[in-house]
Amino acid sequence: EAGVAQSPRYKIIEKRQSVAFWCNPISGHATLYWYQQILGQGPKLLIQFQNNGVVDDSQLPKDRFSAERLKGVDSTLKIQPAKLEDSAVYLCASSRDGRNQPQHFGDGTRLSIL
Amino acid sequence: GEDVEQSLFLSVREGDSSVINCTYTDSSSTYLYWYKQEPGAGLQLLTYIFSNMDMKQDQRLTVLLNKKDKHLSLRIADTQTGDSAIYFCAESNAGKSTFGDGTTLTVKP
Repeated sequence: EAGVAQSPRYKIIEKRQSVAFWCNPISGHATLYWYQQILGQGPKLLIQFQNNGVVDDSQLPKDRFSAERLKGVDSTLKIQPAKLEDSAVYLCASSRDGRNQPQHFGDGTRLSIL
Repeated sequence: GEDVEQSLFLSVREGDSSVINCTYTDSSSTYLYWYKQEPGAGLQLLTYIFSNMDMKQDQRLTVLLNKKDKHLSLRIADTQTGDSAIYFCAESNAGKSTFGDGTTLTVKP
């Protein structure tokens, strides 16, 4: 079974620029999560999708972050404009049905803001 | 809100047992997870325990859950240098997980 795929692995941009991350979950997994992991901390949930609908986006800074999951498979997370404090690893995870099934993580995108 | 606490560092000798501890606050947690993160990689699921269990063993890994004290531990038997990583505890309720900030395990030869 192929794992969760994310791209790019690394991204360096200047503040106020925009950036987008892509995630392809494990085939058949209905639930998709985006997390932000700041150095030295655990992952913090940004948004959770169930198929192509949003379940929880209460921690997503909506003035600058947006995410979509068209057709209920792949997802993109965008930041526009980026701030220095957005430097982090952005992790995508998926689970079979979101009802306490284990989450499977991709290797993340490491974002550095200059 | 929900909170998960872990000690930051643990250092052991190769061949010894490692015990990583975690406390959580959400009494409605249904599953509790242990993940391992190696440098430059995502989180790898190691094991998990349902909240109505008090122990689960999986090869070198033993999970103990004290639901009354909201305390979870992960014991790694015969720790190897390849076990050096950051270990995250997570509690889950209705599909939403809260993670601790991780325990960095260093295994010395």
